[in-house]
Amino acid sequence: IAGITQAPTSQILAAGRRMTLRCTQDMRHNAMYWYRQDLGLGLRLIHYSNTAGTTGKGEVPDGYSVSRANTDDFPLTLASAVPSQTSVYFCASSKTNTGELFFGEGSRLTVL
Amino acid sequence: GQNIDQPTEMTATEGAIVQINCTYQTSGFNGLFWYQQHAGEAPTFLSYNVLDGLEEKGRFSSFLSRSKGYSYLLLKELQMKDSASYLCAVRDSNYQLIWGAGTKLIIKP
Repeated sequence: IAGITQAPTSQILAAGRRMTLRCTQDMRHNAMYWYRQDLGLGLRLIHYSNTAGTTGKGEVPDGYSVSRANTDDFPLTLASAVPSQTSVYFCASSKTNTGELFFGEGSRLTVL
Repeated sequence: GQNIDQPTEMTATEGAIVQINCTYQTSGFNGLFWYQQHAGEAPTFLSYNVLDGLEEKGRFSSFLSRSKGYSYLLLKELQMKDSASYLCAVRDSNYQLIWGAGTKLIIKP
């Protein structure tokens, strides 16, 4: 049972480049989330999706976009990466928008 | 604004008991979560409280007082593998999770 799979696990990226972080879950969860985690700060929500076909903005959505074409996949795209987007990105899912979250292993992104 | 406060770091001895506190100020309340996160790994679910009182799960217990905006996580019979960060999160009136910065727990032999 894979749970949530994120790719890549680590990436170094030049500023200005476009990057997509992939997230796939096999638990048939309705809700999915993208967080960033920076030292000394709590997890901050970037975008979320309560069900396939819908998305919403979180606390720090600028510079990021998401899509939710089906239940399993929830990719996060950085259209033009900037150094302040250097962070560890976690994808998570929950059965409903009130349940516990299950996290992927994270994607460490460095923007130079 | 919404705020979750936890101590940044705590140190405890193997075999002892430690209590990690969390205070919160949020717009509404729809439950409080505790997660464990080992260095370089993903957070994993520990406990959920929505009503006042103590929830016990093995060596770990979590307490909630909604009137005080306060929760604690109690870890008993500490083991070296309990060295990790412990994250407190509150679900607000919009069902969004607000996260604390986490408490790094260091266990010494």
